[in-house]
Amino acid sequence: AQSVTQLDSQVPVFEEAPVELRCNYSSSVSVYLFWYVQYPNQGLQLLLKYLSGSTLVESINGFEAEFNKSQTSFHLRKPSVHISDTAEYFCAVSVSGYSTLTFGKGTMLLVSP
Amino acid sequence: EAEVAQSPRYKITEKSQAVAFWCDPISGHATLYWYRQILGQGPELLVQFQDESVVDDSQLPKDRFSAERLKGVDSTLKIQPAELGDSAMYLCASTTGDNEQFFGPGTRLTVL
Repeated sequence: AQSVTQLDSQVPVFEEAPVELRCNYSSSVSVYLFWYVQYPNQGLQLLLKYLSGSTLVESINGFEAEFNKSQTSFHLRKPSVHISDTAEYFCAVSVSGYSTLTFGKGTMLLVSP
Repeated sequence: EAEVAQSPRYKITEKSQAVAFWCDPISGHATLYWYRQILGQGPELLVQFQDESVVDDSQLPKDRFSAERLKGVDSTLKIQPAELGDSAMYLCASTTGDNEQFFGPGTRLTVL
């Protein structure tokens, strides 16, 4: 079985500051890794994913995440956040294209002016 | 852009009543999932369908929950009777199996 740990339940940050949201996972088999974003009372939107290849993956809106197998981590970073980035961010793992996602408990990113 | 549709968006019911949620996945997506998201938590799988067949319902409380996908397209999740602890967001997702699940907007259930 897989598990995901997001250590920070809430991360407050000022606009234009950098941010890192931490994610660690546990699995006895190779996994695929995902970050999803959820705005209030909405469903989840895929932000980025790691399947194979380059360990650094990027999203279209400036986020990036790096897969670190030795540390079993997949931390999410953005060099300069905007007010509109305020949302809940979920890290998730799966073991195949069809398998279910196992989610962490989420990190609420609060960006203030 | 194709989206997963869910209805209703919000549902308020009293305990012991029956409720039903509907999901229409993206056309062509054979795999459909129902997740439950309790406030402050990540989503947890309730049931997974491949076409009309249940692949995994190990976490579905079968004494009160049921799910069906009769024609392998849209799906219904039912709770009878609802309990206070069922208050949560119910999310539907679908995929073609290419490592991306697409989520609907969810149904927010409040049980009074």
